[in-house]
Amino acid sequence: AQKVTQAQTEISVVEKEDVTLDCVYETRDTTYYLFWYKQPPSGELVFLIRRNSFDEQNEISGRYSWNFQKSTSSFNFTITASQVVDSAVYFCALSEGDFNKFYFGSGTKLNVKP
Amino acid sequence: EAGVAQSPRYKIIEKRQSVAFWCNPISGHATLYWYQQILGQGPKLLIQFQNNGVVDDSQLPKDRFSAERLKGVDSTLKIQPAKLEDSAVYLCASSKEQSNTEAFFGQGTRLTVV
Repeated sequence: AQKVTQAQTEISVVEKEDVTLDCVYETRDTTYYLFWYKQPPSGELVFLIRRNSFDEQNEISGRYSWNFQKSTSSFNFTITASQVVDSAVYFCALSEGDFNKFYFGSGTKLNVKP
Repeated sequence: EAGVAQSPRYKIIEKRQSVAFWCNPISGHATLYWYQQILGQGPKLLIQFQNNGVVDDSQLPKDRFSAERLKGVDSTLKIQPAKLEDSAVYLCASSKEQSNTEAFFGQGTRLTVV
């Protein structure tokens, strides 16, 4: 079974639109961590955010915001007023257990058109 | 600080040949990961080191893949013999400690097996 599911394979928006990337995870652990990474065309995975399972407070960083809901096992990512530079593949990841093992979703490709 | 360094960036080999990839993690990072990312998919963990010991290699095809991390710093990943299905990007990542901290990724090595 998939530990991290990103149902949206590809999303296209026009610049300045808001867009939400969905992430659903599965774990039996009570302590776990969730992450979002960005992978631009250059290929390097860039860390965006880490949240632990005990902190459900939503977080905002500039145009980025994250909505963590344990009740629905979701950790969604919203980009407000999208820009062409936001075009990339975005991965959601789960880390559980004692050894910081990461499980990645299949990614959502975001295309922001001018 | 310097990021995770990987070489080479690109490699093309024929099937049944061997190939090796090199990774230099961020200084002071105890945990090192090798991931395989097939086009259109999320990264899949191949092997995880804590210092120079193996924490997880459950998804490493041990009949053809091997990895080592001598002296707990640099690491090499080898494939011998390569198969067509090994065509992928091989990502190296490192993190500070075991307890669910974020991992930082290198730019990866794109391997094409023909």
